[in-house]
Amino acid sequence: GENVEQHPSTLSVQEGDSAVIKCTYSDSASNYFPWYKQELGKRPQLIIDIRSNVGEKKDQRIAVTLNKTAKHFSLHITETQPEDSAVYFCAASIMNRDDKIIFGKGTRLHILP
Amino acid sequence: DAGVIQSPRHEVTEMGQEVTLRCKPISGHDYLFWYRQTMMRGLELLIYFNNNVPIDDSGMPEDRFSAKMPNASFSTLKIQPSEPRDSAVYFCASSWTGTHSPLHFGNGTRLTVT
Repeated sequence: GENVEQHPSTLSVQEGDSAVIKCTYSDSASNYFPWYKQELGKRPQLIIDIRSNVGEKKDQRIAVTLNKTAKHFSLHITETQPEDSAVYFCAASIMNRDDKIIFGKGTRLHILP
Repeated sequence: DAGVIQSPRHEVTEMGQEVTLRCKPISGHDYLFWYRQTMMRGLELLIYFNNNVPIDDSGMPEDRFSAKMPNASFSTLKIQPSEPRDSAVYFCASSWTGTHSPLHFGNGTRLTVT
């Protein structure tokens, strides 16, 4: 089955700097890659997603890139702010096949003042 | 919409006891997922349903775990008997069309088995 690896497990960046989180997946048939943000004590919430027919997607300070050949995708957060501190999860799934969304183990992002 | 509703928010029980976690998905969502979250293993998919039918339960750790969805607005995850290693946060999530749309998570149930 699908396996999603995520790194780093912990990331600290100065406020205003950029943060990058990277994930790899194992099943080349995977075609949908969402990212979820989980603030302390709260539920995970979708922040951005990308489908395999595009290589990059942006939403304000957040962007995701996808390299299908290498089977990896990344989350980029620019001009980081204190409210970006959270755990971020990448995920992968195969639309129109088994509908399972498999998550990476998460990255705890600390924004330093 | 109130979102996905889970109960209880916290559950503390002794080893060997039966535990039942409850979930009410968002009305109209036809997929329901149960995940378990721990520091070591992250978010693990336990089981998911489509139109009340279990589709994949390969993530259910062992026979002590069972899940049901008797109707479109209610699902349960039962652990019998519970063990300390079952301690985790259990999330229920629902979505419109499986992976075509975002997962909407409930607030989770924090289970502690002593």
